[in-house]
Amino acid sequence: NAGVMQNPRHLVRRRGQEARLRCSPMKGHSHVYWYRQLPEEGLKFMVYLQKENIIDESGMPKERFSAEFPKEGPSILRIQQVVRGDSAAYFCASSLWDRDSNEQFFGPGTRLTVL
Amino acid sequence: QQQVKQSPQSLIVQKGGISIINCAYENTAFDYFPWYQQFPGKGPALLIAIRPDVSEKKEGRFTISFNKSAKQFSLHIMDSQPGDSATYFCAVANAGNMLTFGGGTRLMVKP
Repeated sequence: NAGVMQNPRHLVRRRGQEARLRCSPMKGHSHVYWYRQLPEEGLKFMVYLQKENIIDESGMPKERFSAEFPKEGPSILRIQQVVRGDSAAYFCASSLWDRDSNEQFFGPGTRLTVL
Repeated sequence: QQQVKQSPQSLIVQKGGISIINCAYENTAFDYFPWYQQFPGKGPALLIAIRPDVSEKKEGRFTISFNKSAKQFSLHIMDSQPGDSATYFCAVANAGNMLTFGGGTRLMVKP
């Protein structure tokens, strides 16, 4: 059973370009979370999605950032017109829906560098 | 406003010693308290987690102690090994919701 997969693992973009980060959850998991980790800092929640629905996007910047989790295919985190401050590691995590369990399994992350 | 305060930021322990990392939270609605371990260049991996109905949970060399009234919980690593050298994050959550992480503790275990 493959774990959470993210690609690309490393992404370099110039200021003003678009970045697309992909996340394939663990098999059977229908919940996806995106977190951002700045260098030497903890992870900060961005957005929580279920299939075709955004459940909580309270941690997502209001502009330039969007996320989706379509019925088929991976979840996508999209950053438009990237700026240097977007340079960070972006992790996604997936979980089962279980009222008694919060366990989230993390992918290896995508390290975004904005030149 | 920081919802989870983690200390210390860094910790050096001799091989065989006990590593202790502490976290304090503010919102009494949280009901899930995990610890994650992260190696450089990798994603966080769940180490151990506890719910507020118990005061202690042990898994191998790792123990969580939970003090509900003080709104604090800690991770104890017994017989620390060089392979335990990593960054450790505490987190809090409500059922089914996102994790709020502490700032992390960089642990170095000296051989």
